[in-house]
Amino acid sequence: QKEVEQDPGPLSVPEGAIVSLNCTYSNSAFQYFMWYRQYSRKGPELLMYTYSSGNKEDGRFTAQVDKSSKYISLFIRDSQPSDSATYLCAMEGGKLIFGQGTELSVKP
Amino acid sequence: GAVVSQHPSRVICKSGTSVKIECRSLDFQATTMFWYRQFPKKSLMLMATSNEGSKATYEQGVEKDKFLINHASLTLSTLTVTSAHPEDSSFYICSARGTSGVLNEQFFGPGTRLTVL
Repeated sequence: QKEVEQDPGPLSVPEGAIVSLNCTYSNSAFQYFMWYRQYSRKGPELLMYTYSSGNKEDGRFTAQVDKSSKYISLFIRDSQPSDSATYLCAMEGGKLIFGQGTELSVKP
Repeated sequence: GAVVSQHPSRVICKSGTSVKIECRSLDFQATTMFWYRQFPKKSLMLMATSNEGSKATYEQGVEKDKFLINHASLTLSTLTVTSAHPEDSSFYICSARGTSGVLNEQFFGPGTRLTVL
């Protein structure tokens, strides 16, 4: 079993839709949970991070962590074409463990 | 945010040659730098971790004699792919981490696309 599992997609949604991206993990020791956004042929950039369980909101983005279920989510409200990218979840366990990444396309 | 650069952004080389990729932290001192490899539509796979002035720590399955890492200063790390072969073709991404902040966030470079013919 991989430490971090993420549906690779691709996911295609119309502009304005709510997007839900998810990851599951197996190591209960993870404390920091991150979401990175990676545009084509670029390095990842940190979008949001959450410590332990709970929600965190930043503009149109909301990150949720459910440690009891070992499940994290990223919600994007009012999605825009500029949100089209690959979204990678990552967890800090001495080193960053990345999910496979979900390719998102937001159509105008 | 902190800026990490990589050079070159793209390189094409012949099989059997060596290629050096540079990773620089432009506006902060990076005590630790990381090298990742990414295949198309795949996750980032950590290859090695390097601390300034120390030998790099390689992940299981990564050949240290093939992927030479040097972290001679707090702002520069290099990855040399020796005797490159077509299977080494990949997207190589470095990241740098300073000492500030709760998260000790890693800042990623833009990546280097290596194609070995």
